Amino acid sequence: GDSVTQMEGPVTLSEEAFLTINCTYTATGYPSLFWYVQYPGEGLQLLLKATKADDKGSNKGFEATYRKETTSFHLEKGSVQVSDSAVYFCALSTNTGNQFYFGTGTSLTVIP
Amino acid sequence: NAGVTQTPKFRVLKTGQSMTLLCAQDMNHEYMYWYRQDPGMGLRLIHYSVGEGTTAKGEVPDGYNVSRLKKQNFLLGLESAAPSQTSVYFCASSYRRTGGGYGYTFGSGTRLTVV
Repeated sequence: GDSVTQMEGPVTLSEEAFLTINCTYTATGYPSLFWYVQYPGEGLQLLLKATKADDKGSNKGFEATYRKETTSFHLEKGSVQVSDSAVYFCALSTNTGNQFYFGTGTSLTVIP
Repeated sequence: NAGVTQTPKFRVLKTGQSMTLLCAQDMNHEYMYWYRQDPGMGLRLIHYSVGEGTTAKGEVPDGYNVSRLKKQNFLLGLESAAPSQTSVYFCASSYRRTGGGYGYTFGSGTRLTVV
């Protein structure tokens, strides 16, 4: 069935470090891929998305490229800030389903 | 614009008690969902609705019931709470069914503890 696997955390980085959070997926058909972010005490917010192969989603300095050949959608940011500390979820949806499939989440802490 | 509003934000129940969680959205979305979030398990779908008057089971429906009597509201009920239902519950809504890049709008969550 459809599923998402993302790297386990927690991840701790110093401010201005480079961030990569890996995400791979299994899906029938042609899924849309998403990254959501959850700040402490809040609900999930859409960070970025890509709807077809080779699309690059970007927002707030984060970006991810939909790679069909490697079934991946890795999240990257060139220089993280303390305010990026949050839990990041990779997710997919398909045209044939009624729900999203979420990864288990990766907790990121950025220290000054 | 309120988006998706969940009430209550926190609740402590005793085993065997019942309660209802309310989700309200003001975006005229057709689709609504209830998820639970547990450490190390991500989000798991409990129930969902594809329109007013409809409900369907998700991945982990046991012990929960739902109702969608009005388009804007989606209620999640626990008839006899158990400690295993201690979790953070999120409601979400979407304009249309998944696919095509339409995302969810999430509420801020309800933290439920069953003792």
